[in-house]
Amino acid sequence: DTEVTQTPKHLVMGMTNKKSLKCEQHMGHRAMYWYKQKAKKPPELMFVYSYEKLSINESVPSRFSPECPNSSLLNLHLHALQPEDSALYLCASSQEKYNEQFFGPGTRLTVL
Amino acid sequence: RKEVEQDPGPFNVPEGATVAFNCTYSNSASQSFFWYRQDCRKEPKLLMSVYSSGNEDGRFTAQLNRASQYISLLIRDSKLSDSATYLCVVNRGYSSASKIIFGSGTRLSIRP
Repeated sequence: DTEVTQTPKHLVMGMTNKKSLKCEQHMGHRAMYWYKQKAKKPPELMFVYSYEKLSINESVPSRFSPECPNSSLLNLHLHALQPEDSALYLCASSQEKYNEQFFGPGTRLTVL
Repeated sequence: RKEVEQDPGPFNVPEGATVAFNCTYSNSASQSFFWYRQDCRKEPKLLMSVYSSGNEDGRFTAQLNRASQYISLLIRDSKLSDSATYLCVVNRGYSSASKIIFGSGTRLSIRP
């Protein structure tokens, strides 16, 4: 299984809602990543987990809260988002941190 | 100046042509390098890793020049399906100051 899956594919939420994005991989990878991508821009790294521990937090606002329940799963909890947070949220995994990354299809988030 | 810079593009070339992109990086502590392609509204997909010795995969050749701090991607006999945005990725270091940086991408359009 060489796939990274993400749910949901699309999400529309209001600024007062709480929602979660989920990411799963079964490749035995020990590093997992969250990225945010706006239209016509490259992905921006948000968080890196390595061996289930938060390794990098790129000064992301606290309204984004990552969680790594086990080595195969990565969640991104969302609360009190702003309209400018609307973007494609991509999850990726790699064998070890800084190796080749494999991306999931992303969750397209719209904040109203 | 950005830490990772790519040829701005867009490149518009005829089918069968050879096209080359460069990506320069400013931090000599950069450790690993990759090329990804991204189709419109899709996730980035790994194209190839880049090594000092150079590596080739079919019509694609990637090179790393540490002295001049750039990586390159050469596409020979281009196909219509090569039309995409090509992203270079530079991993800087393995310490707590490490970063994963995407270039802004080069758009390639292959015309019949």
